Amino acid sequence: AQKVTQAQTEISVVEKEDVTLDCVYETRDTTYYLFWYKQPPSGELVFLIRRNSFDEQNEISGRYSWNFQKSTSSFNFTITASQVVDSAVYFCALIRDSSYKLIFGSGTRLLVRP
Amino acid sequence: SAVISQKPSRDICQRGTSLTIQCQVDSQVTMMFWYRQQPGQSLTLIATANQGSEATYESGFVIDKFPISRPNLTFSTLTVSNMSPEDSSIYLCSVEYTGADTQYFGPGTRLTVL
Repeated sequence: AQKVTQAQTEISVVEKEDVTLDCVYETRDTTYYLFWYKQPPSGELVFLIRRNSFDEQNEISGRYSWNFQKSTSSFNFTITASQVVDSAVYFCALIRDSSYKLIFGSGTRLLVRP
Repeated sequence: SAVISQKPSRDICQRGTSLTIQCQVDSQVTMMFWYRQQPGQSLTLIATANQGSEATYESGFVIDKFPISRPNLTFSTLTVSNMSPEDSSIYLCSVEYTGADTQYFGPGTRLTVL
């Protein structure tokens, strides 16, 4: 069975603080993909990143960075110098190589206060 | 990524009625999907919309309740039939291009059933 756990229900930070969103996944597959999506208050789901199971290299995109560790089945997301516009619900998701079904975590609501 | 539109963006409906949601993509895509997001919850896949044939439904979702059409490679509809307040959710379509291994989401339709 596959499962994605986002233990942090809600995080509140002050602008310019760094914040890390945790994601732990479970799968028996050797080939799979991991994703992060952002859902601002308007409701649309915005794709942020995709990682395949064979690529453990960390990635940085501007203020965003991702840490993928297969040894701990984690795919954590860090926002550096957070901004008010980062306030949203962030979802981590998993998909098997042979499937189209995204398995979402429960989401982490991030509130960045000015 | 694709430009995906959904109509309506939101609606308030009466119990027992039906609502058809449209999803339009600006270019041909291989796969189209429909997800439901109940209030404060994560996303759950309803079905895969297959072009020219019946949709493939996930466990817990049936065609009589959620009929889906996909007449071509850029358009799909989801109907929520005989609605009850429990159907109040955000309904999102997503698309995937051949080889992309990533689903991109539409802006969602926010449905409230009274």
